[in-house]
Amino acid sequence: QVQLQESGPGLVKPSETLSLTCRVSSYSVNSKYYWGWIRQPPGKGLEWIGSIYQSVSTYDNPALKSRLTISLDTSKNEFSLKLSFVTAADTAVYYCVASRGGEYGAFDNWGQGTMVTVSS
Amino acid sequence: DIQMTQSPSTLSASVGDRVTITCRASQSISSWLAWYHQKPGKAPKLLIYGASSLESGVPSRFSGSGSGTEFTLTIGSLQPDDFGTYSCQQYQSYSTFGQGTKVEIK
Repeated sequence: QVQLQESGPGLVKPSETLSLTCRVSSYSVNSKYYWGWIRQPPGKGLEWIGSIYQSVSTYDNPALKSRLTISLDTSKNEFSLKLSFVTAADTAVYYCVASRGGEYGAFDNWGQGTMVTVSS
Repeated sequence: DIQMTQSPSTLSASVGDRVTITCRASQSISSWLAWYHQKPGKAPKLLIYGASSLESGVPSRFSGSGSGTEFTLTIGSLQPDDFGTYSCQQYQSYSTFGQGTKVEIK
């Protein structure tokens, strides 16, 4: 079973960059899994942000692509999310996820989630 | 974008009831559909993938069916632990989720 743990600031100022990291346990980030991020604004549904596979390929939500960077750090066995020029609409619980089936899901492993608030 | 629409938005049922939730896609997604269960304050948990394949460890009272644009999640006999929100997800073209169905236990 893959274990995932998100970390990063819980408060980000508008127009700044949101940065989160997901530590992976029990599996190498260079394994067969696709790694990704999903978010959920308070009281709303889930939104896929993007995915990465073995540092070779990234897959971005078209609505976020211009602001989004997802990367892998094999030396630390973790992957990261950077979302630039954030606004209040980016306030959400952010989950790191893993899929053994493909870049878009299904997501069979989830981190516990971390709340990020965008506010001055 | 492929839009996913779930119905109903909320349902209330008794322990032992058979419960059905429907998910419709705005265009055909073949069988690229998953179902998740989420309890308040917790991460979603994968129940069904490939429209009808049961994820390992998920009780057999959960089942999924459908293909193309119309899909169903059925809970054969509702249990107290089944309260929460159920969401469908298409993963044929990028990934989009339904708005969720909140299941309350009477």
